[in-house]
Amino acid sequence: QQQVKQSPQSLIVQKGGISIINCAYENTAFDYFPWYQQFPGKGPALLIAIRPDVSEKKEGRFTISFNKSAKQFSLHIMDSQPGDSATYFCAASDHSNYQLIWGAGTKLIIKP
Amino acid sequence: DSGVTQTPKHLITATGQRVTLRCSPRSGDLSVYWYQQSLDQGLQFLIHYYNGEERAKGNILERFSAQQFPDLHSELNLSSLELGDSALYFCASKGAANSPLHFGNGTRLTVT
Repeated sequence: QQQVKQSPQSLIVQKGGISIINCAYENTAFDYFPWYQQFPGKGPALLIAIRPDVSEKKEGRFTISFNKSAKQFSLHIMDSQPGDSATYFCAASDHSNYQLIWGAGTKLIIKP
Repeated sequence: DSGVTQTPKHLITATGQRVTLRCSPRSGDLSVYWYQQSLDQGLQFLIHYYNGEERAKGNILERFSAQQFPDLHSELNLSSLELGDSALYFCASKGAANSPLHFGNGTRLTVT
C-alpha cells in the first residue's frame, strides 16, 4: 500500500502548548520521512526529516518521533507559537524511486 | 526564497480555454515536479520530469500535459479548462535523487 495517512485534519492549540500530528504508513520499503510546512499563499517548505535508523530527531522546537514497528511517525511542536500556524504535510518515500507519497495535511492554528 | 520561480502568480480564465504555467527550477536541479492543490486540500502529484524526460505520472488528466526544455525550465499546459480545474499549481525541483524537494510559490488558477 502506497498511502500515508495523516491525522488530525485540523488542530487548534493554545500558545505555549504542544502540537502533535501523526502519520501512518503501510509500505515497509519507505526509508525517508519528511515533514513540510506550508503558509497561506506559499509553497510547502521542508521542515524536518528522519530516516528509520533513528527513533527521534530534534531541530529546535520541532521533533520527529519514529516508530518502525508500528509504522508510524509524528511531528511534535513544543512551545507552539502563533507563527507556527500553517498546514503541515507528512510524506514518505523509498530509495527505489524517491517519489514522495504525501499525507493529506493538517491545518494547525495556534491561539494566542 | 526556495529558488524555484513560477509564473504567472495568478491566472483567471474562462471554461474551455487553454493556459500555460511556467516553472524555472533552482539552478542545477534536473528534476521538476508538478502538483495540484485544490482549496484546503492536499497535494496531488501530477507529473515528474528529469533532464527533459518524463519520469513518472500521477493523477494527471489527459487535458493536461507538461514538458521540460533543454534549459530545464518546465511548462504545464492545461486545456479545455473546467471550473473544477481551479486550484493552486505548484512546481518543485530537486537535485540529487535523495535530496529535498524545493517548491515554488505556485500559480493560482481561477476558471470562471
